[in-house]
Amino acid sequence: DSGVTQTPKHLITATGQRVTLRCSPRSGDLSVYWYQQSLDQGLQFLIHYYNGEERAKGNILERFSAQQFPDLHSELNLSSLELGDSALYFCASSVGPDPSYEQYFGPGTRLTVT
Amino acid sequence: GDSVTQMEGPVTLSEEAFLTINCTYTATGYPSLFWYVQYPGEGLQLLLKATKADDKGSNKGFEATYRKETTSFHLEKGSVQVSDSAVYFCALSEIDSGGSNYKLTFGKGTLLTVNP
Repeated sequence: DSGVTQTPKHLITATGQRVTLRCSPRSGDLSVYWYQQSLDQGLQFLIHYYNGEERAKGNILERFSAQQFPDLHSELNLSSLELGDSALYFCASSVGPDPSYEQYFGPGTRLTVT
Repeated sequence: GDSVTQMEGPVTLSEEAFLTINCTYTATGYPSLFWYVQYPGEGLQLLLKATKADDKGSNKGFEATYRKETTSFHLEKGSVQVSDSAVYFCALSEIDSGGSNYKLTFGKGTLLTVNP
């Protein structure tokens, strides 16, 4: 158990819908990272928040957005969903402001878009 | 742009065999390099890292050396165990020239299966 929690574990929704994925970091960690893992695109870094501020952006689509709240949990919002958004979404937390600090990954949320 | 290329799997070995998973990268500056491991049904775990040229990262019998001259960070282990069966990802991170953003890029992953 990494200490990072993600909810829900599974999510099935239809095209065009909007969903919110939630991540609670390990106690004391200030960074939250979001990743998308799919068979065709592999593991893609989406976005990183540090202590409530956006720190870095990766390959995040404009239909996707995220935020980190004062209690440091984070939410990833996916809108106008397409079939290709079906994937495993991981969040990870770490204590420091950049990837040189070890990241601890949650168990993931499996999103299926039908 | 930055990229990471790692050997395609799957790789199948017998227990106690020697393991090498090749990883090469392209980057504009001086990235940090990582190997992550993903066991079945789990998220990734950091296996080892190296932050500058000639650094050697090591953990759990795995090693990788940051080779700037060959832009490589190959993962090795002298004697693999069944419990090492997993997917291994090579990754790099690089601060951009302005210092306000960074890139984080992963390879496609290599599936390792170790048979008893």
